[in-house]
Formats: sequence, structure tokens, C-alpha cells
Amino acid sequence: AQSVTQLDSQVPVFEEAPVELRCNYSSSVSVYLFWYVQYPNQGLQLLLKYLSGSTLVKSINGFEAEFNKSQTSFHLRKPSVHISDTAEYFCAVSEPGSARQLTFGSGTQLTVLP
Amino acid sequence: SAVISQKPSRDICQRGTSLTIQCQVDSQVTMMFWYRQQPGQSLTLIATANQGSEATYESGFVIDKFPISRPNLTFSTLTVSNMSPEDSSIYLCSVVQGRTEAFFGQGTRLTVV
Repeated sequence: AQSVTQLDSQVPVFEEAPVELRCNYSSSVSVYLFWYVQYPNQGLQLLLKYLSGSTLVKSINGFEAEFNKSQTSFHLRKPSVHISDTAEYFCAVSEPGSARQLTFGSGTQLTVLP
Repeated sequence: SAVISQKPSRDICQRGTSLTIQCQVDSQVTMMFWYRQQPGQSLTLIATANQGSEATYESGFVIDKFPISRPNLTFSTLTVSNMSPEDSSIYLCSVVQGRTEAFFGQGTRLTVV
């Protein structure tokens, strides 16, 4: 069985400051890793994903996450946040080739303060 | 990418009643899923909606409480039956394209009073 732990339920940061949202997972098999973002009153949107290859993956809006197998982590980072980044962020894992088996973390509410 | 429309976006319902949530996708998809997001908690998979056959339910969810229809490859409904305040949640429809990426509707925010 897989599980995902997001260590911080709420992260407030000031605009233009760096941010890290932490995600750790446990699994007995290799996994695919995902970060989803949920803006207020909207559905989840895929932010970035790790399937294989380079352990550092990046999104088009400046977020990046690094897969660390030894630490079983997939932390999300951004060097400078904007007000528009305020949202709930979910880390998720799945077995390779099986997006159906998504297991989500409890979510981290990122609030960017002016 | 798939575009998913869910209706209603939110509702307030009396306990003991039922609510049917609709999910429409702009393309044909094989697999459709229903998730529940309880307040302050993670997303939990309720069931997989299969076209032409009964839905496959996850542990802790039963057909009598959450009947699902999947009449074609672009549409599904989830009914929350005999509601109680514990059913107050966000319900999300999801589809998978390819083998790795899941897309989600905007969710239905249900409050049971």
C-alpha cells in the first residue's frame, strides 16, 4: 500500500519570498509522483510530474520538484512566489502505468501575503 | 487535455434526501473516477465508473449509498443517497488520458443540513 504525507497543512509566505512544500511518500514499489494545484472554487490541475529520468522536474510557472529516492521525498519549490500562487497543493503517487491508483496527500494551503 | 464539466458546482441539501452529480467530458474516455474530498482531508477514491458495466467501488463505499451510472464514454453520474451531515464534502469527477495523467472537474461542494 502507498501513502503520502504532506507535513505542512498551511504555509504562509510573503510575496517574492521562496517557498518549499514538503511531500514524503511510502511505497513498496517504484512510483510515479505528481503535484496538483487547486485554486479556489476550481478543480485540481496537474502542476508537474515525475515518471522517470531526470529527478528534477519543472512546471511552466516557475515551480520545480525533485524526486529523492533515498529520502522518499518529492518536495515542491519556487524561488519567488506571487499572490496568484495562493492555492491548495496536493502531492500524489501512483504505481507506474496506473494513474487510476492515485493516492493523495492531505494537501498544503499556500497563502502568499502582500 | 480533457475538459470536464461538473454540475452542480455546489448545493445545500436536507438530510435524508439524495443528490445526483453530473460529469461531462469533452472527449471519449475509457476510465472515469469519482473522488470525495472531506473537509480538511485528502482526496479519496470512491469508485471507478465503467461504461457498459457496474461501477467498481473502493473499500468503504457501497453501491446503495453511491450509485453510479455511465451510459456512454463521455458522461457519468454519481448519486449521494439518503444524505447525512457526514456526507458534506467536495465530490470530484476525474478521467485518465494516456496512462499517467488524470484530469479533474471543478468539483461539487455539497453541504448537508
